[in-house]
Amino acid sequence: EAGVAQSPRYKIIEKRQSVAFWCNPISGHATLYWYQQILGQGPKLLIQFQNNGVVDDSQLPKDRFSAERLKGVDSTLKIQPAKLEDSAVYLCASSLAGGTYEQYFGPGTRLTVT
Amino acid sequence: QKEVEQNSGPLSVPEGAIASLNCTYSDRGSQSFFWYRQYSGKSPELIMFIYSNGDKEDGRFTAQLNKASQYVSLLIRDSQPSDSATYLCAVSSGTYKYIFGTGTRLKVLA
Repeated sequence: EAGVAQSPRYKIIEKRQSVAFWCNPISGHATLYWYQQILGQGPKLLIQFQNNGVVDDSQLPKDRFSAERLKGVDSTLKIQPAKLEDSAVYLCASSLAGGTYEQYFGPGTRLTVT
Repeated sequence: QKEVEQNSGPLSVPEGAIASLNCTYSDRGSQSFFWYRQYSGKSPELIMFIYSNGDKEDGRFTAQLNKASQYVSLLIRDSQPSDSATYLCAVSSGTYKYIFGTGTRLKVLA
């Protein structure tokens, strides 16, 4: 069974530029999560999708971050414009259903904003 | 008060000893509890989950849950240097709410 795929693995951009990350969850997983993990900290949930609907985006900085999940499968997370403090690893995870199921993580995208 | 709290460590234990990692949570309605391991530069991976009060054992790992005291712990027996990593506690309060702690860094000394 293929795992969660993410691309790109690394990205370096200048502040005020835009960037997009892509995630393909495990086949059949209804729930998809995007996390931001700053060095030395635990993952911080940015947005959670159930199929193609948003169920939690309370910690998503909506003035600069946006996300969508087309047809309930792939998802993209966009930052525009980027700030220095956005430098982090962006993790995508999926689970079979909601919060009572374990999450499977992709390899992450390491973003550096200069 | 943070919703899920862990001591950041590092927790240092000698090889072969028992490592004990603790996690407390604030939501009494929490139903599901997970331990993830994260090696430096890698993504978290699930080690164990527990839903009911008591102990759950899987190989060298034992998860312990006490809902009355609102804590969950992970014991690692016969610790090995390869167990050195950050251990993340995650708590789910229902269908959609899933919260990670900040993690405890474990160092197993050879």
